[in-house]
Amino acid sequence: AQKVTQAQTEISVVEKEDVTLDCVYETRDTTYYLFWYKQPPSGELVFLIRRNSFDEQNEISGRYSWNFQKSTSSFNFTITASQVVDSAVYFCALSESNLYTGGGNKLTFGTGTQLKVEL
Amino acid sequence: DTGVSQNPRHKITKRGQNVTFRCDPISEHNRLYWYRQTLGQGPEFLTYFQNEAQLEKSRLLSDRFSAERPKGSFSTLEIQRTEQGDSAMYLCASGRASTDTQYFGPGTRLTVL
Repeated sequence: AQKVTQAQTEISVVEKEDVTLDCVYETRDTTYYLFWYKQPPSGELVFLIRRNSFDEQNEISGRYSWNFQKSTSSFNFTITASQVVDSAVYFCALSESNLYTGGGNKLTFGTGTQLKVEL
Repeated sequence: DTGVSQNPRHKITKRGQNVTFRCDPISEHNRLYWYRQTLGQGPEFLTYFQNEAQLEKSRLLSDRFSAERPKGSFSTLEIQRTEQGDSAMYLCASGRASTDTQYFGPGTRLTVL
């Protein structure tokens, strides 16, 4: 069975600080996808990134960066120079890829990390 | 590209009543998913469709829950004889079969009194 653990329930930082959100996953499959979503107070889940299990290259998008390490089953998310608008709940999720249905399987989410960025 | 839309956004009902929610996916997406999210938790998978076919249902989906996607476009989720434990945010997502990215709608918040 799949499992995603986000051990940090809540993190508070001051604006312009860097912050890393941790994500550890469990799966028996060799082919899978990892995701990060942002859920602001409005409630809508906003897609941030998708990574497949064969691509361990780190990715940077503006102030966001992701570190995927298969050896430790982790997919951590770093926000550089945080801003108040980054305040939200961030979810890490895992999807196994079904070779018969071409992917697009259900997501297993972690419990989320509430990030509060203060002035 | 319009996003996923859900209606209503909020629903308050009395225990024992039936409720129905609607989800309109992104137009070219043939995969449609339903999730439920309770306070302080991540979304939990309920069911998903590829076109009009319902391919998987979670054990969370009791007999009181039914979902349809009759023409492979919009979907409805019905809860019969609602219970207080059904109070949650019901999220819909859509995606293409060839990729694994799911895009979420704003959700329907259900409160059962």
